[in-house]
Amino acid sequence: GENVEQHPSTLSVQEGDSAVIKCTYSDSASNYFPWYKQELGKRPQLIIDIRSNVGEKKDQRIAVTLNKTAKHFSLHITETQPEDSAVYFCAGLDYKLSFGAGTTVTVRA
Amino acid sequence: NAGVTQTPKFQVLKTGQSMTLQCAQDMNHEYMSWYRQDPGMGLRLIHYSVGAGITDQGEVPNGYNVSRSTTEDFPLRLLSAAPSQTSVYFCASSHRADTGELFFGEGSRLTVL
Repeated sequence: GENVEQHPSTLSVQEGDSAVIKCTYSDSASNYFPWYKQELGKRPQLIIDIRSNVGEKKDQRIAVTLNKTAKHFSLHITETQPEDSAVYFCAGLDYKLSFGAGTTVTVRA
Repeated sequence: NAGVTQTPKFQVLKTGQSMTLQCAQDMNHEYMSWYRQDPGMGLRLIHYSVGAGITDQGEVPNGYNVSRSTTEDFPLRLLSAAPSQTSVYFCASSHRADTGELFFGEGSRLTVL
């Protein structure tokens, strides 16, 4: 099955700066890579996803890039705001969704 | 639509007790799953189902049972609770296993003493 590794485990950024979270996956058959955001005490919610036939996808201040050859994908958050503080999970799908261990992002005012 | 509904939200058990976490969705999703969330370990898949009558094991199935008698319901049973099962449990569903967004329930915090 799929094995997804996520780095870093914690990330502290100044408000307005960018944040980048990287994930690697093991199964070359994986074809769908979502990112979930979990605010403190809440449920995870999908923020952006990318399929294997696309190299990059953007939604306002959030972007995801995928390098299938190297088997890694990244989440980029630009112009970070306090409400971006949360735990972010990447995931990869072969026949089921496997999650990374999560990155706790703290945006300092 | 209520989405994915989990009950109970909190539960304290003694070692050896059994209990069932309930999960229901009203979105007519084929795929349902249970995850446990522990600090530093992300979301680990316990069991999943791709449709009524079909279930399969995830990464950490030991000590848990599931059934899927209807499309809407996917209960998780702890057979004999152990302290290692102290965790936050999330039920999640999606239209199909191989596509689209997973919708999570609010979570159930279980403590085993």
